[in-house]
Amino acid sequence: AQSVAQPEDQVNVAEGNPLTVKCTYSVSGNPYLFWYVQYPNRGLQFLLKYITGDNLVKGSYGFEAEFNKSQTSFHLKKPSALVSDSALYFCAVRDIPNAGNMLTFGGGTRLMVKP
Amino acid sequence: GAVVSQHPSRVICKSGTSVKIECRSLDFQATTMFWYRQFPKQSLMLMATSNEGSKATYEQGVEKDKFLINHASLTLSTLTVTSAHPEDSSFYICSARPPGLAGVYYNEQFFGPGTRLTVL
Repeated sequence: AQSVAQPEDQVNVAEGNPLTVKCTYSVSGNPYLFWYVQYPNRGLQFLLKYITGDNLVKGSYGFEAEFNKSQTSFHLKKPSALVSDSALYFCAVRDIPNAGNMLTFGGGTRLMVKP
Repeated sequence: GAVVSQHPSRVICKSGTSVKIECRSLDFQATTMFWYRQFPKQSLMLMATSNEGSKATYEQGVEKDKFLINHASLTLSTLTVTSAHPEDSSFYICSARPPGLAGVYYNEQFFGPGTRLTVL
C-alpha cells in the first residue's frame, strides 16, 4: 500500500525567508510524487511533480522540490516566501505501476507566511 | 492547461433531499474521474473512481447507494448524494485524468474547484 506523511500540521515563516514543507512517502514500487496547493474553499492547484530524471524539480510560483530516494522524501521548498504563499499544501504519491491512477494524499500542511 | 469545472460551487439543502454535483472536463476528454471528500482541516479522501461507460469503483467504507456516481460521457461525471443528512456536509472535489499512452502513467489529475455541501 502507498502512503504519504506530512509531519508538520503548520509551518510558520517570515516573508522573505526560505521555506520548507516536509513530505515522506512509502510505496512498493517507484513513486510519482506531486505537490498541490489549496486556498480556502477552493480546489487543488498543481505545483509540481516528480516522475523521473533530475531529483530537483522546479514548479509553479517559484516552488521546487527535491526527490530523495534513500530518505523517501520529497520536501517542498522556496528560497523566499511571500505572504501570498499562505495556504494549505498537500503532498501526494502514486505507486508505479500498482495503484492505477489513484493518488494518495498526505494530511496537509498549513503554511503561514507573516509579513 | 486542462480545466475541470464543478457545479454548483456551493449548495445548501434540507435533510432527506438529494443533491447532484457535476464535474466537467472543459478542454479534454477524461476517461477516468475521481471523487474526493474533504472534511474541515483534513486531507482529501478518495471516495470513488469513475470510468466512462462503466460502474464506479468505490473505496472501502463509501456507501454505493448513498453516493451515486454516473460517468455517462467523456467530459461529465456526476455525484448524487441521496437522502442527504447533516453528516454528509463536506467539501466534495472531483478530478479528471486525460487518457494517456498504454502503460504510461505520466498523466496528472486535474482538480475541480470543489463543491461545498451543507445539509441542514
